[in-house]
Amino acid sequence: QVHLEQSGGEVKKPGASVKVSCKASGYTFTRYGISWVRQAPGQGLEWMGWISAYNGNTNYAQKVQGRVTMTTDTSTSTAYMELRSLRSDDTALYYCARARSPYDILLYWGQGTLVTVSS
Amino acid sequence: QSVLTQPPSVSAAPGQKVTISCSGSSSNIANNHVSWYQQLPGTAPKLLIYDDNERPSGIPDRFSGSKSGTSATLAITGLQTGDEADYYCGTWESSLSAVVFGGGTKLTVL
Repeated sequence: QVHLEQSGGEVKKPGASVKVSCKASGYTFTRYGISWVRQAPGQGLEWMGWISAYNGNTNYAQKVQGRVTMTTDTSTSTAYMELRSLRSDDTALYYCARARSPYDILLYWGQGTLVTVSS
Repeated sequence: QSVLTQPPSVSAAPGQKVTISCSGSSSNIANNHVSWYQQLPGTAPKLLIYDDNERPSGIPDRFSGSKSGTSATLAITGLQTGDEADYYCGTWESSLSAVVFGGGTKLTVL
């Protein structure tokens, strides 16, 4: 069965960076990509981008372009999302989800990682 | 301000039917498939509908989706208290080359 296990919550200061991991199991990692979606407290869903686990191609949302880097490690079937120059409005639950392409449906989701940005 | 517009809240009694609308434009809903997600409190979103009107395995046929032009609709029949959740529509926004979501609709089963 497909499972996405995310890393634990993080507390960061403004201006710092955070790197969230998403370890996949139950399927061939390189046949899919990973999308990242975040949700600020009490707010809706916001798509951040997608990375192909096959060739590393990425597609980032304009809002975070320049501050985000998505990578994968095929040896451990793990995807990473690094967000730099953190601001208070980056405080959110960050989810990873399996997706064949940037526009693919999001059938399998991780449990979410809470990133809190506070001085 | 979301690219896709949903009503903030809807409500209905148990056993009744409710519909949730999702309004977009020619650069998103009109020319791309729509998905719907259910988010129960404290949990990750769950895919309910994909490709406008298809249900993943395990999703009861009480949930259905439709699309016409620049709008999509999620219908839930035979409402149950367990259906109380936030519901989001999502699709590809061609002008941004990005996935966009509606602002979400909170369903209350009275």
